[in-house]
Amino acid sequence: GESVGLHLPTLSVQEGDNSIINCAYSNSASDYFIWYKQESGKGPQFIIDIRSNMDKRQGQRVTVLLNKTVKHLSLQIAATQPGDSAVYFCAENYGTASKLTFGTGTRLQVTL
Amino acid sequence: GAGVSQSPSNKVTEKGKDVELRCDPISGHTALYWYRQSLGQGLEFLIYFQGNSAPDKSGLPSDRFSAERTGGSVSTLTIQRTQQEDSAVYLCASSFGLAGVRVQYFGPGTRLTVT
Repeated sequence: GESVGLHLPTLSVQEGDNSIINCAYSNSASDYFIWYKQESGKGPQFIIDIRSNMDKRQGQRVTVLLNKTVKHLSLQIAATQPGDSAVYFCAENYGTASKLTFGTGTRLQVTL
Repeated sequence: GAGVSQSPSNKVTEKGKDVELRCDPISGHTALYWYRQSLGQGLEFLIYFQGNSAPDKSGLPSDRFSAERTGGSVSTLTIQRTQQEDSAVYLCASSFGLAGVRVQYFGPGTRLTVT
């Protein structure tokens, strides 16, 4: 079936370095993608989203890149901080108000 | 403003009992979603409401699971005759349900433990 997956379950980076979290999706009809951050014991927190008519979108210290040719999504975090330690999920969606399909998540560990 | 709220935050129940989980969406959000997150896993879609109707119930795992939404606001997820495999965090999300704004905002979840 359609799915969104992540390549790496755990990513360890040093404080101050840039982090890149990757995600592959399989539904070529998906037209909306979103990244969430989930800290232990909390619900997912919205980070950034992107529509399929774009290939890059920037936020505060975060950038999402979308490559529709190879159905790949990435989240870049600049100058990673200890507070960025969490599990990151990508999700995809088709249609205005419908379910998000999530991957299993990548744990980001920031070392000092 | 207030975010999505859920209650209870934790629920421990015995196998075979029924449980009700509640979600209060963000005011003005017409779309409401329930997801389930098992330990160390991603989020699994359960059901979606637009107003009080549920156009997509495809994720409900069995007929023991049901949900309703009243007044276009509060939603209740009911699990009957709970089983141990129902143990998970149940997350609720809401959104404006508009073409231009598709972000779903999540509540803190209800951790359900079936003993």
